[in-house]
Amino acid sequence: DGGITQSPKYLFRKEGQNVTLSCEQNLNHDAMYWYRQDPGQGLRLIYYSQIVNDFQKGDIAEGYSVSREKKESFPLTVTSAQKNPTAFYLCASTRGGMNTEAFFGQGTRLTVV
Amino acid sequence: QKEVEQNSGPLSVPEGAIASLNCTYSDRGSQSFFWYRQYSGKSPELIMSIYSNGDKEDGRFTAQLNKASQYVSLLIRDSQPSDSATYLCAARRNRDDKIIFGKGTRLHILP
Repeated sequence: DGGITQSPKYLFRKEGQNVTLSCEQNLNHDAMYWYRQDPGQGLRLIYYSQIVNDFQKGDIAEGYSVSREKKESFPLTVTSAQKNPTAFYLCASTRGGMNTEAFFGQGTRLTVV
Repeated sequence: QKEVEQNSGPLSVPEGAIASLNCTYSDRGSQSFFWYRQYSGKSPELIMSIYSNGDKEDGRFTAQLNKASQYVSLLIRDSQPSDSATYLCAARRNRDDKIIFGKGTRLHILP
């Protein structure tokens, strides 16, 4: 089945530690996105990538880093510089270009303990 | 002004009635618009996409787009309790491919 897989579903991190969230898609989509969602809030764009080996900052990139070495994979690292990392993280992908729809993975809920 | 704006609700609608959800956007360079449904604790699920002015119908759902007014709406006919969720409006900007979301409208269908 084609889809977007995020792992793990739940993640606990100690303060001061970096942690990497995985996002893999087998839809042959060109563009991938990372969003953060806080309780009762909409989705805020962290980073996005339109093609392999290229990515752009979204609205809240500080404290995060990404890589796009393969078309299928777009991992997100939450660094210790991110002051409030506890949130629901969502990865999405789309074929790219006009009039294409974005689909989401199941999300990773990160909690800093 | 936020780029994509929605009334946060909650919007309460009796079962069987029509639910009307509204969204405005500020960037005229946005050309693609989406409605997602999100249940509590789950990821967003795409319901409708709309790219040209007018109406687009899919089952009980109708999306409406008015680019001149920068306005997008979603109508849900014959509302069911299972439609109770948060509905997210999103717009895709042509100039940089960003997909920007509103904060969502909580919809509550009253049995």
